[in-house]
Amino acid sequence: SQTIHQWPATLVQPVGSPLSLECTVEGTSNPNLYWYRQAAGRGLQLLFYSVGIGQISSEVPQNLSASRPQDRQFILSSKKLLLSDSGFYLCAWSPSELRRGQYGYTFGSGTRLTVV
Amino acid sequence: QKEVEQNSGPLSVPEGAIASLNCTYSDRVSQSFFWYRQYSGKSPELIMSIYSNGDKEDGRFTAQLNKASQYVSLLIRDSQPSDSATYLCAVNPRNNRLAFGKGNQVVVIP
Repeated sequence: SQTIHQWPATLVQPVGSPLSLECTVEGTSNPNLYWYRQAAGRGLQLLFYSVGIGQISSEVPQNLSASRPQDRQFILSSKKLLLSDSGFYLCAWSPSELRRGQYGYTFGSGTRLTVV
Repeated sequence: QKEVEQNSGPLSVPEGAIASLNCTYSDRVSQSFFWYRQYSGKSPELIMSIYSNGDKEDGRFTAQLNKASQYVSLLIRDSQPSDSATYLCAVNPRNNRLAFGKGNQVVVIP
């Protein structure tokens, strides 16, 4: 069966510090991968998605970046965090061949980031 | 116009009652529809998927889809305190990237 791992679970970082969040998927190959952010009391905001190694699409311009160095690894980074980067960061995956979109996304357990 | 709208505010239901949640979407060619449950501080969990007009039942959950009217709903029968959560509607539009609604909070009162 497929599993998705995301770490760390919680993170408190000072303004201006770098960020690196990692997500890995097991039990499948060539998944589509996604990074979402959920601010307090707000909906899910798609940040990045990837359909393959090195292929990253950005949905929202910001000081965050994403990379996919391996097939089942997705990394979210920032060089300098802002207070507004605080939120709940979620990684998700879906099968690469959506077959008319039959599959929903499966989310990791999330990282609660607080920028102070 | 937002891709997926969930307009209702928090929903309080007594234990054992039916909770009804509604969602509308804007892209007529959408093919797949999903309901996620998100407990406070946790990640969303897929609980229902529906692809054809009509009803789909899974345990105490029933999803209803009406493509002509572009809405999808979720019914929770015999609501339990463990059903207290935020429910997110998600729609797969033409670009094959799920669009999520903002969610509806359900509070089941014992």
